[in-house]
Amino acid sequence: EAGVTQFPSHSVIEKGQTVTLRCDPISGHDNLYWYRRVMGKEIKFLLHFVKESKQDESGMPNNRFLAERTGGTYSTLKVQPAELEDSGVYFCASSQTENSPLHFGNGTRLTVT
Amino acid sequence: EDQVTQSPEALRLQEGESSSLNCSYTVSGLRGLFWYRQDPGKGPEFLFTLYSAGEEKEKERLKATLTKKESFLHITAPKPEDSATYLCAVLWGGSEKLVFGKGTKLTVNP
Repeated sequence: EAGVTQFPSHSVIEKGQTVTLRCDPISGHDNLYWYRRVMGKEIKFLLHFVKESKQDESGMPNNRFLAERTGGTYSTLKVQPAELEDSGVYFCASSQTENSPLHFGNGTRLTVT
Repeated sequence: EDQVTQSPEALRLQEGESSSLNCSYTVSGLRGLFWYRQDPGKGPEFLFTLYSAGEEKEKERLKATLTKKESFLHITAPKPEDSATYLCAVLWGGSEKLVFGKGTKLTVNP
């Protein structure tokens, strides 16, 4: 079984640019989550999809962040325009049901300079 | 106030030297406490879920326990390959979002 795949693994962009992160969940997992870890802090929730619907986006920092999940398969997280404080590691996770353990990808390390 | 606190932040052990990691939580209505292992450059890897006080789970050299206020991850006779950051997270109330602690970085020297 293929795990959760995230692309790219690293991204370095300048302040004001746009970046799009992609996540491919485990096949058949309806639940998809985005989390973020900024340096020195704990991993924090961003949002939760069930299939193509956003169930909870209470963790999204502001309207510069836009997440989509096309057809309930892969998901993208766009940051536009990027700010310095957006630097961190963005993790995607998926689960079969809401009570199942989350399976995490290896993350995208975003650096905004 | 942090909802999930892990201690110590870092722990160095000699191979074979058993110890415990702590995860204390202040949330009410706990629905599950999760332990994950994270290696450098990787995502968190699921280890255990504990649902109620008194519950215990074991996997190889690891044993997780849960009380009403905290969880312990006991490591028996650790090996260098057990070196990693161990993360604790809780699911509580009606939310589906995991709340993580900052983790304990464990180093096991040969």
